[in-house]
Amino acid sequence: SQQGEEDPQALSIQEGENATMNCSYKTSINNLQWYRQNSGRGLVHLILIRSNEREKHSGRLRVTLDTSKKSSSLLITASRAADTASYFCATIVSGGGADGLTFGKGTHLIIQP
Amino acid sequence: EAQVTQNPRYLITVTGKKLTVTCSQNMNHEYMSWYRQDPGLGLRQIYYSMNVEVTDKGDVPEGYKVSRKEKRNFPLILESPSPNQTSLYFCASCRLGGTYEQYFGPGTRLTVT
Repeated sequence: SQQGEEDPQALSIQEGENATMNCSYKTSINNLQWYRQNSGRGLVHLILIRSNEREKHSGRLRVTLDTSKKSSSLLITASRAADTASYFCATIVSGGGADGLTFGKGTHLIIQP
Repeated sequence: EAQVTQNPRYLITVTGKKLTVTCSQNMNHEYMSWYRQDPGLGLRQIYYSMNVEVTDKGDVPEGYKVSRKEKRNFPLILESPSPNQTSLYFCASCRLGGTYEQYFGPGTRLTVT
C-alpha cells in the first residue's frame, strides 16, 4: 500500500532555477527517503532523513521533514538538465522494517535548457 | 562494484508461456523484493524476502511466485503470464537493521501478448 504521496505530479522549470517537491504521508515514520529515477531505469537513493531530524543537506539537495504535518520537501538548487527525472519519496513506518517501506507515485521533473 | 543485476532486461512473450526473471545482488543483503511499475500507479511491491527461505506477499502478488534458496538470488516466476502483467519490473535489496536504503536493479521490461 502507498503511504507517501508526492506533489506536484509533474514540474517543469528552467535550468538554473530551484525545484521543490513535496511528500505527504499518513502514519508515523522512522525515516523518509528520496529516490531518483531516470527514464525507465532503476531508482537511485538520494538522501535519507530520520524522524528526529528536521533538515538535511547533500550537495545541491536539501530535505526538510515536518513530522507534525507529516510532510517532507526536497529542494534541488541550481537545477541542471541532468536533473530531469522522476523523484520518489519512501517511508518506513514507525516500528517497521524493510517490509514496511512504501513508495509514493513520484514527481516528474523536467529541466528546460 | 556493489550492484543488483536483473536478467533479461527486455522480454516479449506470449500468454501462458512460463518465464523467470532473475535477480542477483553482491552485497550480502538479507532483504530482497520485487516491484512492478505501471504508469499512474507508481511502484507496487509484488513479493519480498527477509532472508533465505523466507518470503512473503506484497501488495500485488497474484500471478507471481518467488523463491529464495540462496541469499544472493531472488528470481521472479510467472507461471502463466497474462497481458495485464505487461510492466516494468524492478528487483531491490537492502541490509536489515540499518536505514533500509534500497538498491535497485536496472529493471526488466516485460511485454505479454
